[in-house]
Amino acid sequence: EVQLVESGGVVVQPGGSLRLSCTASGFTFDDYAFHWVRLSAGKGLEWVALISWDGDTTHYTDSVKGRFTISRDNSKNSLYLEMSSLRTEDTALYYCAKDTYSDGFFIDYWGQGTLVTVSS
Amino acid sequence: QLVLNQSPSASASLGASVKLTCSLSSGHSSNAIVWHQRQPEKGPRYLMKVNSDGRHSKGDGIPDRFSGSSSGAERHLIISSLQSEDEADYYCQAWGAGIWVFGGGTKLTVL
Repeated sequence: EVQLVESGGVVVQPGGSLRLSCTASGFTFDDYAFHWVRLSAGKGLEWVALISWDGDTTHYTDSVKGRFTISRDNSKNSLYLEMSSLRTEDTALYYCAKDTYSDGFFIDYWGQGTLVTVSS
Repeated sequence: QLVLNQSPSASASLGASVKLTCSLSSGHSSNAIVWHQRQPEKGPRYLMKVNSDGRHSKGDGIPDRFSGSSSGAERHLIISSLQSEDEADYYCQAWGAGIWVFGGGTKLTVL
């Protein structure tokens, strides 16, 4: 059974930093690309970032470029999102999501999410 | 620019059928899309991929009540024999050239 479990969501002040983690099980982790997707209150899903199977290729949505970094550790079956210079508009439920392909195609499994609140 | 448009809301009666629509922006009418469902207080679930020719492939465990179709730049999700647990938000998603895009989502109410 595919399982994706996110952690690391907390309340943080504007301008602060945070690292989210996602631990995967039930499949061969390093065969697939991964995404981070967020859901804000009153808004829909927003794609945040993608990382290829080997970590060599990353893509970001414009609003997080230069502030967020996606990474992975295939030896630990883990995905990460380093978030810095956080803004109130980054407040959201952050989901880890598995892609169907090694370099990025579409999402076929999701985690349950971890809540990030940016507030003073 | 790749943009997906969805109606914000839809409703249908228990046991009836409903068709949700995702419209691709100009220049992207041949793109495939995928549908995801997000039930209240749950993580999203992948439902199916819908190609421009209407062929669709479903995710693991998705009931036969769920199907997909295409017409031009529109991609459809059809849910038949509506059940109470189908009340959820439905999102379409497309991808290309290093970006992944979601539609705004449709909130489905089962009456």
